[in-house]
Amino acid sequence: TQLLEQSPQFLSIQEGENLTVYCNSSSVFSSLQWYRQEPGEGPVLLVTVVTGGEVKKLKRLTFQFGDARKDSSLHITAAQPGDTGLYLCAGAVSDYKLSFGAGTTVTVRA
Amino acid sequence: KAGVTQTPRYLIKTRGQQVTLSCSPISGHRSVSWYQQTPGQGLQFLFEYFSETQRNKGNFPGRFSGRQFSNSRSEMNVSTLELGDSALYLCASSLRFGAGANVLTFGAGSRLTVL
Repeated sequence: TQLLEQSPQFLSIQEGENLTVYCNSSSVFSSLQWYRQEPGEGPVLLVTVVTGGEVKKLKRLTFQFGDARKDSSLHITAAQPGDTGLYLCAGAVSDYKLSFGAGTTVTVRA
Repeated sequence: KAGVTQTPRYLIKTRGQQVTLSCSPISGHRSVSWYQQTPGQGLQFLFEYFSETQRNKGNFPGRFSGRQFSNSRSEMNVSTLELGDSALYLCASSLRFGAGANVLTFGAGSRLTVL
């Protein structure tokens, strides 16, 4: 079983629409990372959130870390085809262990 | 600067064979972590090497092994391949040891298919 559950597993939307991806766990994490992986490439780090309740914005992407540091969400505003990819969340169980979710495949249609 | 380089990018093996994958980290990075990625399972941690020593290990059988050289380059080996070993094997490097406390930079992966 996954320590981190991501939902939905797949998401297909039209260009210009908004979307939200969720990452949930019953465990507490010292930090949480979001990655995007494109076909044929490795995951690329988008952001790290550390403080409970923290909100970080990266252009059209908004990341939120839950108050209890057990969950996180990624919201994309006005999605573009370039946002297509596999979005992975990863929670730091300790300084030495990072646990990944199974990922959400996002497809943005032009 | 050059990123993380993994070779080979693609390979096909048959059951029972063994395979060696290579990872060259970013210059100056001393930690190398290996992950197995399969559809629906996400990234499963294999092991982490720092200063030529395995510092952390995931829940994989002993058929999976690795090593790190003095120049920080790392190899992983899978012996007696099984169909279920088909996956994308990703390597990530970081400046210091500890995937939970450092920024990981991933390579593009080695896609292994076992027939």
